[in-house]
Amino acid sequence: RKEVEQDPGPFNVPEGATVAFNCTYSNSASQSFFWYRQDCRKEPKLLMSVYSSGNEDGRFTAQLNRASQYISLLIRDSKLSDSATYLCVVNIYRGNNNDMRFGAGTRLTVKP
Amino acid sequence: DVKVTQSSRYLVKRTGEKVFLECVQDMDHENMFWYRQDPGLGLRLIYFSYDVKMKEKGDIPEGYSVSREKKERFSLILESASTNQTSMYLCASSSLGGTADTQYFGPGTRLTVL
Repeated sequence: RKEVEQDPGPFNVPEGATVAFNCTYSNSASQSFFWYRQDCRKEPKLLMSVYSSGNEDGRFTAQLNRASQYISLLIRDSKLSDSATYLCVVNIYRGNNNDMRFGAGTRLTVKP
Repeated sequence: DVKVTQSSRYLVKRTGEKVFLECVQDMDHENMFWYRQDPGLGLRLIYFSYDVKMKEKGDIPEGYSVSREKKERFSLILESASTNQTSMYLCASSSLGGTADTQYFGPGTRLTVL
């Protein structure tokens, strides 16, 4: 079983739609959580951290459910520029080091 | 802005060649990482380093070695390249402390081994 699992998609949605991605993780010792965005042929970049209380950044809302060990990302009012692959990342602190585990990503295409 | 650079965007090598991939970061970060990214598998950690001359194996170190002689530079070495090492290689760095979680990635090197 993969440590971080995501639906690979692709999710094809029209502009203006609301779309949600889920991610599950297997290690209950995971302590911090993130969504990264990766454009085609580019490097991953941090989109947002995910906090226990849930957090929002403009059109993006991230939520964490520790009991069920899943993380979600909601995108409202999708834009063409949201087309990308979204990587779920969980982190386990191990002394000096952060052990970050990446999901394989969920691909989103927003169409006109 | 944090900048992580990698020596090549595209590289084509032959089986058995020795391959060097260089990564440089300009933010005085302590931690540096090498990943490979393959379709359906996500990013897999090859090696990381949390200080000069320190290195730790990641999940898939076989066939690779690393070198960190200076804080800003982390090199990945394929001693004898094989076709199953064809992949996208991504370098990343992060600091210790409150923002240690955020990893900043280089643009990647797409390596093809023939």
